[in-house]
Amino acid sequence: DVQLTQSPSFVSAFVGDRVTITCRTSQVIHSYLAWYQQKPGKAPSLLIYAASTLQPGVPSRFSGSGTGTEFTLTISSLQPEDFATYYCQQLYNYPTPLPFGGGTKVEIK
Amino acid sequence: EVQLVQSGAEVKKPGESLKISCKTSGYKFGSRWIAWVRQMPGKGLEWMGVIYPGDSDTKYSPSFQGQVTISADKSSNTVYLQWNSLKTSDSAMYYCARPLGGWFGIDLWGQGTMVTVSS
Repeated sequence: DVQLTQSPSFVSAFVGDRVTITCRTSQVIHSYLAWYQQKPGKAPSLLIYAASTLQPGVPSRFSGSGTGTEFTLTISSLQPEDFATYYCQQLYNYPTPLPFGGGTKVEIK
Repeated sequence: EVQLVQSGAEVKKPGESLKISCKTSGYKFGSRWIAWVRQMPGKGLEWMGVIYPGDSDTKYSPSFQGQVTISADKSSNTVYLQWNSLKTSDSAMYYCARPLGGWFGIDLWGQGTMVTVSS
């Protein structure tokens, strides 16, 4: 099975900062990767699919890049509503298994 | 409106059985796989398994094989997650989710069902 390693697991940042989160996979998955945002007490919400395509309605300060085994999620200018936990997910083995990375919690500095 | 609506929070004792539900609406039931995802308190998202309601084809992640049962009822457009004998370690939030296929990700999530198992 494809393993996902997400880093860092925790980020402390100021409003306005640029934040980058990395997701590495144990096998090549081409662009079969999604990113989600989860706020406390809520279900995850899709941000990016196909590694770099923004889900409709997601602000343009979010962007995704990468292919193969290394992927990044970038928030260009962190906003107060962006403080949350972010997860990557590989989609190469649809319909299953589609494991998630360990998560990155973004907190206010 | 396309949505997944899950059953309410449950408090159970170890050894008890439980079946939680995920009612789908707004799209053709049976045309998309439905997944269950576990989130233990303060932890990340774990992929449990999936069902294709059209023919009830079910696939489990190894960690959950034999521990839970996923089923579907076409008459009520509902997917279920069931335990025969709960453990305290089953305490978690459980989400149903609809992966779209290919590289499109999960576009639809239920609101979650909190399961607490305590003596």
